[in-house]
Amino acid sequence: GAVVSQHPSWVICKSGTSVKIECRSLDFQATTMFWYRQFPKQSLMLMATSNEGSKATYEQGVEKDKFLINHASLTLSTLTVTSAHPEDSSFYICSARDRARGASYEQYFGPGTRLTVT
Amino acid sequence: AQTVTQSQPEMSVQEAETVTLSCTYDTSENNYYLFWYKQPPSRQMILVIRQEAYKQQNATENRFSVNFQKAAKSFSLKISDSQLGDTAMYFCAFMTFWGDKIIFGKGTRLHILP
Repeated sequence: GAVVSQHPSWVICKSGTSVKIECRSLDFQATTMFWYRQFPKQSLMLMATSNEGSKATYEQGVEKDKFLINHASLTLSTLTVTSAHPEDSSFYICSARDRARGASYEQYFGPGTRLTVT
Repeated sequence: AQTVTQSQPEMSVQEAETVTLSCTYDTSENNYYLFWYKQPPSRQMILVIRQEAYKQQNATENRFSVNFQKAAKSFSLKISDSQLGDTAMYFCAFMTFWGDKIIFGKGTRLHILP
């Protein structure tokens, strides 16, 4: 149980284009999903928190117009990197909190998406 | 604001040995949660162990145990009888009682040597 998937696992896009990353909770409903960014050999940095049916809350320093987050259902959140540039190349990880288990439980992490912008 | 500090960027131990990874944190809250996550080369985050701050008893999961010192704000992870599969990046993490976000330390890269 508690499986989170991400699609795609790896994407290469050209500079200036937009790319969408999906995060799905497969066997539970997630009222809250989190998006992290991880540079090579570094820690996870929280980018934003998305709650189903409402606007995402972005961490300080994260451009909300560049990293569009949509959480349209209890099992799906999407991150769209708009007008991508090489510096956006990174590993993006999502996590989800099980609605049934409440806020006190750990987040379940997806396998991550490697984004390479050429 | 909460912070998590891992002072050991990298460690190596021989297989079957015991190793302890250090973690300190800072918070003004009284109730919270602490975690150790493992990130192997696949980069999938795996929860190793979890500790509730209101519990005095240290959490254990098979070969993994923690030494939680609330007053000192210390949360170390002990891996007993280390195995080659334990080779990974280990992150110490803090979560508020309300679960609004998880804050990760910078990680410790652990190498288990055959």
